[in-house]
Amino acid sequence: EAQVTQNPRYLITVTGKKLTVTCSQNMNHEYMSWYRQDPGLGLRQIYYSMNVEVTDKGDVPEGYKVSRKEKRNFPLILESPSPNQTSLYFCASSLLAGGPYEQYFGPGTRLTVT
Amino acid sequence: AQSVTQLDSQVPVFEEAPVELRCNYSSSVSVYLFWYVQYPNQGLQLLLKYLSGSTLVKGINGFEAEFNKSQTSFHLRKPSVHISDTAEYFCAVISPGGGNKLTFGTGTQLKVEL
Repeated sequence: EAQVTQNPRYLITVTGKKLTVTCSQNMNHEYMSWYRQDPGLGLRQIYYSMNVEVTDKGDVPEGYKVSRKEKRNFPLILESPSPNQTSLYFCASSLLAGGPYEQYFGPGTRLTVT
Repeated sequence: AQSVTQLDSQVPVFEEAPVELRCNYSSSVSVYLFWYVQYPNQGLQLLLKYLSGSTLVKGINGFEAEFNKSQTSFHLRKPSVHISDTAEYFCAVISPGGGNKLTFGTGTQLKVEL
């Protein structure tokens, strides 16, 4: 089954404790992206990647890091989480060349930073 | 920068009634338009998209949307809603030359009542 998976689905942590949210897709998509969803703000792009080793900032990159060492994986790293990063996070992927194409979304990771 | 406006944050409607969810975008140049649906505790799923061609686009679950370039609008409609349509709906846009970046509206919560 074609899908985007994220782990963990729920995470409660404390300020300053480094964490990683994993994202994996099995559709051989070039494009992957991270979004955060906050009430009244919709979804905002954090980082995106157009292929292996190619990443760039989205609209709200502060406090986040990403890497793309393999085509299927695109982890989101919070080196020193703060309470304002409490949010619902989505990973998405799509084909890229000749697009635009539908983006497929993961089920989301609800992060709480205390 | 591109922006998307969803004027209605919540739309209550009775089952079997028609519904229209409004979406306006800011760009005066050609854009690609999308509607996504988010059911409770799930990721986003594509309802429909407009890339080019006919301005009336049909999607899944009986939804349709009409692209109106002069009014920069892409309103979503369904002639008869069901309880199962209760969800949050997001309008989004990709600008040509903007990579594959989706810019989302703030979402409209559709609540279908008996």
